Amino acid sequence: DAKTTQPTSMDCAEGRAANLPCNHSTISGNEYVYWYRQIHSQGPQYIIHGLKNNETNEMASLIITEDRKSSTLILPHATLRDTAVYYCIVRVSSGTYKYIFGTGTRLKVLA
Amino acid sequence: GAVVSQHPSWVICKSGTSVKIECRSLDFQATTMFWYRQFPKQSLMLMATSNEGSKATYEQGVEKDKFLINHASLTLSTLTVTSAHPEDSSFYICSASAGRGMVNEQFFGPGTRLTVL
Repeated sequence: DAKTTQPTSMDCAEGRAANLPCNHSTISGNEYVYWYRQIHSQGPQYIIHGLKNNETNEMASLIITEDRKSSTLILPHATLRDTAVYYCIVRVSSGTYKYIFGTGTRLKVLA
Repeated sequence: GAVVSQHPSWVICKSGTSVKIECRSLDFQATTMFWYRQFPKQSLMLMATSNEGSKATYEQGVEKDKFLINHASLTLSTLTVTSAHPEDSSFYICSASAGRGMVNEQFFGPGTRLTVL
């Protein structure tokens, strides 16, 4: 079973920040949080990942709560091309480090 | 960097035939590759994990004799759907990871859409 829960869908106005929450209350101490997005009929695209500290790259910022039970992906200035399904994944920390995908959040950026 | 390709991008076949899908890491060596299946409007479901030179590890409920996985080199893994039936029609996606360390993310291919008539 997936170790994350996300809202099914969200809308965001173009140019505004999109804040996508993720709950991972059963995360273990050495498990990373990864975010990917999937645009229709394509393979998932890596966005960002983190362990306990907040992270930022050219695509997004990742805010992880101090207890690590939840996180938020922030797209600072959403564009129409950011419309996609966003997956928050806690990578299994043993064996082959596989991903178990949850249902994801369908983000729609509105003009 | 970290590009993963799949071939073919789409395939249509008759029921009962076998179909092979290739997954290649183009600019890095992938010690581990993963195969997923995705039905319309659903999330990705992990089918199996393969490490170069060893047998694949299949997820519960995935028939290993139906979905044959070969990971013969550090840049190539293949998935063969044997005796395909219409219910096998799906979007098949592979991913590749450069190592077994904790920080190594997976890079995904563009997917292969299989339609079985």
